Amino acid sequence: NAGVTQTPKFRVLKTGQSMTLLCAQDMNHEYMYWYRQDPGMGLRLIHYSVGEGTTAKGEVPDGYNVSRLKKQNFLLGLESAAPSQTSVYFCASSFPAGGQETQYFGPGTRLLVL
Amino acid sequence: DQQVKQNSPSLSVQEGRISILNCDYTNSMFDYFLWYKKYPAEGPTFLISISSIKDKNEDGRFTVFLNKSAKHLSLHIVPSQPGDSAVYFCAASRTSGTYKYIFGTGTRLKVLA
Repeated sequence: NAGVTQTPKFRVLKTGQSMTLLCAQDMNHEYMYWYRQDPGMGLRLIHYSVGEGTTAKGEVPDGYNVSRLKKQNFLLGLESAAPSQTSVYFCASSFPAGGQETQYFGPGTRLLVL
Repeated sequence: DQQVKQNSPSLSVQEGRISILNCDYTNSMFDYFLWYKKYPAEGPTFLISISSIKDKNEDGRFTVFLNKSAKHLSLHIVPSQPGDSAVYFCAASRTSGTYKYIFGTGTRLKVLA
């Protein structure tokens, strides 16, 4: 079991460029999440999905879009990157557990926007 | 507004002693709490959780205490080991909510050999 994997591990973008971060999980989890981690801010939820074909906004969704076309994949898109989106991005997944989900995290993607 | 706060950015403890990491929350609707551990260049990994119907949960060397009246939880690690050196995040949620966890800012624990 690979668990949760993220692609790429590191990326440098110029302001205005677009990119897609890929998250894949092989645990058959229903729920998937995208977080960003910034110094002094902890982990903040960007978007999440409770099943294939569904997505919802988290705390900090502006500037990002997501898609969950397949149960095992959750894509995070940046249409026009800004320096404020420089961060470490973590994907997570979980089974439904009535609000007591244990989330399994990927290793993260470090993004630098110049 | 930071609903979950970890006021100590860092903590150093001698190997074999107790490590106590603290977390405060402001939203009285939170009823489920977790601790995650994170090593550099890795994603967070689940450590231990507690529901608001309990005030203590133990798992080996790790114990989480919940004081609902004070809106405070703490993680005790006894005895501390060098391999425990990591960043620890607490997180809180409402089980009647919408699958969202609110994370604290983390405490970096260093266990000195």
